[in-house]
Amino acid sequence: DAKTTQPPSMDCAEGRAANLPCNHSTISGNEYVYWYRQIHSQGPQYIIHGLKNNETNEMASLIITEDRKSSTLILPHATLRDTAVYYCIVGNFGNEKLTFGTGTRLTIIP
Amino acid sequence: EAGVVQSPRYKIIEKKQPVAFWCNPISGHNTLYWYRQNLGQGPELLIRYENEEAVDDSQLPKDRFSAERLKGVDSTLKIQPAELGDSAVYLCASSPIGGRNSYEQYFGPGTRLTVT
Repeated sequence: DAKTTQPPSMDCAEGRAANLPCNHSTISGNEYVYWYRQIHSQGPQYIIHGLKNNETNEMASLIITEDRKSSTLILPHATLRDTAVYYCIVGNFGNEKLTFGTGTRLTIIP
Repeated sequence: EAGVVQSPRYKIIEKKQPVAFWCNPISGHNTLYWYRQNLGQGPELLIRYENEEAVDDSQLPKDRFSAERLKGVDSTLKIQPAELGDSAVYLCASSPIGGRNSYEQYFGPGTRLTVT
């Protein structure tokens, strides 16, 4: 599976949009981009995934660049409950094996 | 819908002792995973089951770790004997095979193991 690179930490003001970047320059044509988050003392939680088109659901939006070498997860109106570690993962659809990195620790500031 | 259930939530044991973790996946989910998460790191896959069959156990340290999923539902992960380096959070996850949500893994809260 392709490797991903994320900043170790980010801060965002409550109510503002949180934009979390991820680089995956070695992604192959059939690999998807998945985002999970892990709130303190909980297991990871699925957020969103995409192949090449931008995606949106009730939690977030995923913007994938045209060359698919990077993506951005957008939380449109961050709340304190969005404070968590966010993992960007690249894998095949069905993702039988999620390879987590160290993620980005996002802190929402009141 | 009930989520993935794990027990115990916390366990403290002395080194060289055995320990077991239990997982009850979401009803109807055929695939079950065990992950280990060290402090400050992302989870790492130990073993994946499809129904009763372990289809990927390449990362399971087989000298001391064992797992079973006898009836294709609940699963148990065992460590015998435990070492200091086994201190970690052990996460169980499940997902359906095929279907609309087959891409999503649902995680339990984990068992935090401390070996002293």
